[in-house]
Amino acid sequence: QVQVVQSGAEVKKPGASVKVSCKASGYIFTNFGISWVRQAPGQGLEWMGWISPYNGNTNYAQKFQGRVTMTTDTSTSTAYMELRSLRSDDTAVYYCARDSSSLGPKWFDPWGQGTLVTVSS
Amino acid sequence: EIVLTQSPGTLSLSPGERATLSCRASQSVSSSYLAWYQQKPGQAPRLLIYDASSRAIGIPDRFSGSGSGTDFTLTISRLEPEDFAVYYCQQYGSSPLTFGGGTKVEI
Repeated sequence: QVQVVQSGAEVKKPGASVKVSCKASGYIFTNFGISWVRQAPGQGLEWMGWISPYNGNTNYAQKFQGRVTMTTDTSTSTAYMELRSLRSDDTAVYYCARDSSSLGPKWFDPWGQGTLVTVSS
Repeated sequence: EIVLTQSPGTLSLSPGERATLSCRASQSVSSSYLAWYQQKPGQAPRLLIYDASSRAIGIPDRFSGSGSGTDFTLTISRLEPEDFAVYYCQQYGSSPLTFGGGTKVEI
């Protein structure tokens, strides 16, 4: 079945970086995009950006420009999201999701199980 | 960016009742590029509806979506116990993609 499975929880200090992985299976990885969405504790959903595994094109939300890098490894069908210069308000569950389109971000299905990133000194 | 406002914030209903959830956009959502997701506590969101009215694979037909422009609605015709959750709308007509703040459907 189609699924995306994420790496485990992380604890980081302010100023550090975190890299979350998202391994896809059950479909042709390069035929669909990958979007990243985060959810702070008790809060709503926030889209961070999208990447096309087909050609590496990215579309980042302006809020994260300069601080986030999304990449893919087509040999292992894995997507990565690196967030730098972490602050306490980056504490959140980070989700990857298969995007319906390889041309630009649209709707997301399925979602990974989420990766809790805690930023604390 | 397009701001999505969901109402009500909380909907208190009983199993078997009809639920009507609203999502209003600050500007027109092009091509009715709007999706709805369900999220239960401790779980990832699940896609219910895309393109405003198309049901995702495996979603029961008691879930339906409608609307265009700036006003969209998710209707659950008869609430089942497993439908009590938080529902989010999301627009993908323009970047950045944005989500509404959610509507909690509670017993």
